[in-house]
Amino acid sequence: DTEVTQTPKHLVMGMTNKKSLKCEQHMGHRAMYWYKQKAKKPPELMFVYSYEKLSINESVPSRFSPECPNSSLLNLHLHALQPEDSALYLCASGQQSGSTNEQFFGPGTRLTVL
Amino acid sequence: GEDVEQSLFLSVREGDSSVINCTYTDSSSTYLYWYKQEPGAGLQLLTYIFSNMDMKQDQRLTVLLNKKDKHLSLRIADTQTGDSAIYFCAEREGYQKVTFGIGTKLQVIP
Repeated sequence: DTEVTQTPKHLVMGMTNKKSLKCEQHMGHRAMYWYKQKAKKPPELMFVYSYEKLSINESVPSRFSPECPNSSLLNLHLHALQPEDSALYLCASGQQSGSTNEQFFGPGTRLTVL
Repeated sequence: GEDVEQSLFLSVREGDSSVINCTYTDSSSTYLYWYKQEPGAGLQLLTYIFSNMDMKQDQRLTVLLNKKDKHLSLRIADTQTGDSAIYFCAEREGYQKVTFGIGTKLQVIP
């Protein structure tokens, strides 16, 4: 299995809702990433998990809460989001340091906050 | 983070070669990458080059690296309509981070 899957594909939520994005990979990668991508912009790194521990948080607001329950799964819990948080949220996985650090991306979750 | 710069748009005719250019700023980058993103989809890694290489060829793709000028290019031979997408140049920053350029939209005219 050489792909990263993400669910849901699309999500519409209100500013008071709580929702979660899910990401899964079965390539044995020990690094997993969350990116946010606005239209016509490159992906912006949000979080990095390394061996199931949070290793990088790019000063992301606390209304985004990542979780890595095991080496194959990565979640992003959303609460009290703002309309400007509407974007494509991409998950990626990759090998650890010492390798080429190729990152394999999922198809993304298109999030709309009303 | 470091800046990675790319031109925004490139239009070529089907069958011609496309050349997408990129400049980066971190001279210590060990790996540089090219990713492709089709509309509404995630990013697909096309190829990468290690910083001690000048060139890498992979089927229709040729990557050229000029480390002195911090310039990276991606040449796509015999460009097809299926190559229409946004192409991101990216550089490795530290152990775990990758910094992406703004992306070049490639339009292939039949």
